[in-house]
Amino acid sequence: DAGITQSPRYKITETGRQVTLMCHQTWSHSYMFWYRQDLGHGLRLIYYSAAADITDKGEVPDGYVVSRSKTENFPLTLESATRSQTSVYFCASRLAGGLETQYFGPGTRLLVL
Amino acid sequence: GQNIDQPTEMTATEGAIVQINCTYQTSGFNGLFWYQQHAGEAPTFLSYNVLDGLEEKGRFSSFLSRSKGYSYLLLKELQMKDSASYLCAVRVSTYNTDKLIFGTGTRLQVFP
Repeated sequence: DAGITQSPRYKITETGRQVTLMCHQTWSHSYMFWYRQDLGHGLRLIYYSAAADITDKGEVPDGYVVSRSKTENFPLTLESATRSQTSVYFCASRLAGGLETQYFGPGTRLLVL
Repeated sequence: GQNIDQPTEMTATEGAIVQINCTYQTSGFNGLFWYQQHAGEAPTFLSYNVLDGLEEKGRFSSFLSRSKGYSYLLLKELQMKDSASYLCAVRVSTYNTDKLIFGTGTRLQVFP
């Protein structure tokens, strides 16, 4: 049971390049989320998706694009990376329903030079 | 707007009891979660409160008062492995959204 995985786990890129972070879950969870975690800010929601082909903005969506063509995948793309996007990115998923908790992937550490 | 406050850092001694507080001001409140996050790792679920009162799970308990916008996480019989960050998160649900808003986390250091 793989659960929720993210790739790559570590990434170094340069300012202006496009970067895609992958998230895959094997539970058929309807909800998926992307967060970034920075010192002093905690976890901030970038985008989330309630189901395939349904996505919505979170607190800090600028500079990011998401898609969800399949339930199990939720890629996050930085269209033109900036240094301020250096962060740790966590993907999460959960079932629909009031008592369900979110399960987090292991994270992707991104450094933008 | 949405606001969640918790202390930045706390220290405690092995075997002791520690209480981590969380206050919130949010619209569409639909429950409060606590997560544990060890350095360099992903957050893991600890507890969930949607009604007022205390939920106990072994050494960990969580309390919620919706009227006061207040929750706490109580850790008993502290162990060295409890050194971690503890994240308070409020579930916000409206007609068109259902998501968690996280506080900045409380870093707990347990000393021998």
